[in-house]
Amino acid sequence: QSALTQPPSASGSPGQSVTISCTGTSSDVGGYNYVSWYQQHPGKAPKLMIYEVSKRPSGVPDRFSGSKSGNTASLTVSGLQAEDEADYYCSSYAGSNKGVVFGGGTKLTVL
Amino acid sequence: EVQLVESGGGVVQPGGSLRLSCAASGFTFDDYAMHWVRQAPGKGLEWVSLISGDGGSTYYADSVKGRFTISRDNSKNSLYLQMNSLRTEDTALYYCAKDYGRHLPGFGMDVWGQGTTVTVSS
Repeated sequence: QSALTQPPSASGSPGQSVTISCTGTSSDVGGYNYVSWYQQHPGKAPKLMIYEVSKRPSGVPDRFSGSKSGNTASLTVSGLQAEDEADYYCSSYAGSNKGVVFGGGTKLTVL
Repeated sequence: EVQLVESGGGVVQPGGSLRLSCAASGFTFDDYAMHWVRQAPGKGLEWVSLISGDGGSTYYADSVKGRFTISRDNSKNSLYLQMNSLRTEDTALYYCAKDYGRHLPGFGMDVWGQGTTVTVSS
């Protein structure tokens, strides 16, 4: 069982927006601004999409945005495109004893 | 080009040991913390371990604490994971990943290798 809770699946039509949640506790998501989001296509290594809750690495489209409220972080993908179909994982720093924790992943389907 | 290349995976019996290596290039290795992350077949990502840029601080997931040891050799731009007392549940693709934070870890990974497969089976 993963430390962070994500919905197993999400979907949307091309051009629509979809939001994926990531729920933790005050010891991880709620306690630090070290929340990251990763995109993983089948058979590929993960790709960093968001770091420090809402920052986008160079090269990541601004259609991807992140936010946090309390113990829940969210990833929003706007203007869905076919290539956005992938698995998405959140992670958070959880203190020096636990290090980093991941969510179980969300499979995003573009209808 | 920033690159990470893992090696050392293989098939090992339960209770056995294995040492993974990760060769880094294209960035100032000792400026960055490094991670090991694994993914069991058909499952999600699981963080395994983190080491600071100077090697002085290490962090482990509870599932591997006391069995795995992370280390690095900055003179060789290399990261290692010594895995002892291996269990069947350690079977996974093991990724080496670079932390995005320069000098101080951000606890996120911006560069990933392609992974090396570890299979623990009798």
